[in-house]
Amino acid sequence: QSVLTQPPSVSGAPGQRVTISCTGISSAGYDVNWFQQVPGTAPKLLIYGDYNRPSGVPDRFSGSKSGTSASLAITGLQPEDEADYYCQSYDPSLNGVFGGGTKLTVL
Amino acid sequence: QVQLVQSGAEVKKPGSSVKVSCKASGGTFSSYAITWVRQAPGQGLEWMGAFFPIFGTPTYAQKFHGRVTINVDESTSTAYMELGSLKSEDTAVYYCARGTTYSSSWYAAFDLWGQGTMVTVSS
Repeated sequence: QSVLTQPPSVSGAPGQRVTISCTGISSAGYDVNWFQQVPGTAPKLLIYGDYNRPSGVPDRFSGSKSGTSASLAITGLQPEDEADYYCQSYDPSLNGVFGGGTKLTVL
Repeated sequence: QVQLVQSGAEVKKPGSSVKVSCKASGGTFSSYAITWVRQAPGQGLEWMGAFFPIFGTPTYAQKFHGRVTINVDESTSTAYMELGSLKSEDTAVYYCARGTTYSSSWYAAFDLWGQGTMVTVSS
């Protein structure tokens, strides 16, 4: 059972906007990161420090955090966005914790 | 361009240990954070432990405490993860990742990942 809670699945049509929630973040306010994983491949960092995008990540991806919840928004949905998405933060021992993952289906 | 190249697949007996390597090809681990994450078949990501430079010593998830060791040989730019007392439930793909610290804090953005190493534990 994951410490952070995500919806098991979300879906949207090409061009639409979808959001993925992540709840259960420590009240200490630790940073939240988001990863994208295409099955069979290594995770890819999408968002770090709650809302920062690494170089090369399209601005269609955005992150936000409020209190003990965070969200990943994807606008202008594209077929290649179909993947699993994981949020990650830290516990009071400063160990990383992941959400259970959300499968995004592009209809 | 830096790549993290992990060692090959392993098959281990229950009760034994496995040591997975992760070489920064074309780069280094110096001043970077390192984490090891695993993924059991059909399951999500699981944090095992990490080394953040500012702390100077690895931290381990409670679940693996006492069974896992993470270290780095900077002379060969290679990180290692050793997991002992293996059980069938440890069958998973093990990933290393390198992180760049930011905001003058201990936080790191794990933006460089290895290809993964499949470890199968079976009698």
